[in-house]
Amino acid sequence: DGGITQSPKYLFRKEGQNVTLSCEQNLNHDAMYWYRQDPGQGLRLIYYSQIVNDFQKGDIAEGYSVSREKKESFPLTVTSAQKNPTAFYLCASSISGQLSYEQYFGPGTRLTVT
Amino acid sequence: AQKITQTQPGMFVQEKEAVTLDCTYDTSDPSYGLFWYKQPSSGEMIFLIYQGSYDQQNATEGRYSLNFQKARKSANLVISASQLGDSAMYFCAMREWESMTTDSWGKLQFGAGTQVVVTP
Repeated sequence: DGGITQSPKYLFRKEGQNVTLSCEQNLNHDAMYWYRQDPGQGLRLIYYSQIVNDFQKGDIAEGYSVSREKKESFPLTVTSAQKNPTAFYLCASSISGQLSYEQYFGPGTRLTVT
Repeated sequence: AQKITQTQPGMFVQEKEAVTLDCTYDTSDPSYGLFWYKQPSSGEMIFLIYQGSYDQQNATEGRYSLNFQKARKSANLVISASQLGDSAMYFCAMREWESMTTDSWGKLQFGAGTQVVVTP
């Protein structure tokens, strides 16, 4: 089955540690995205990537980093510089080039930093 | 500036009744697309329905329909015959054509969402 996988579903870290969230897709989509969601709120775009080895900052990129070495993979690192990292993180992918193409989402990773 | 506004933070609806979720948007781009997503408590975002700005008819997908009023910049989601499984957060989102020709690459802009609780 085609889809997006994110692992792990729950992640716990101590303050000051970097942590990397995994996102893999087998939909052959060019574009991939990372969103952050805080309780009771909408999605905010962290980073996005249109092609391998290229990515752009979204609206809240500070304290995060990404890489896109393979088309299928778009890992997100939450660095110790991120002041409030506890949140729900969603990865998405889409075909690019058409207005109507929806984004497909993974199941999300809930990160708790104490 | 907020591009997508969902004014209803939460609402209750009885099973088998219809419910309308409000969404207004702000754009000067004549070409854009509007999306609705459902987010159950499990967290995954599920695509429901799409409406293009040039589409002549309102979009429908099963029990979901989109009441598109272009002049009012409104794209309300109507869920008919609500079911208990419809209890979820619902998000409205927009993609502007101009964003696809810049380095924004057609990113989606989301509203804050509306929490729907369906009661027996």
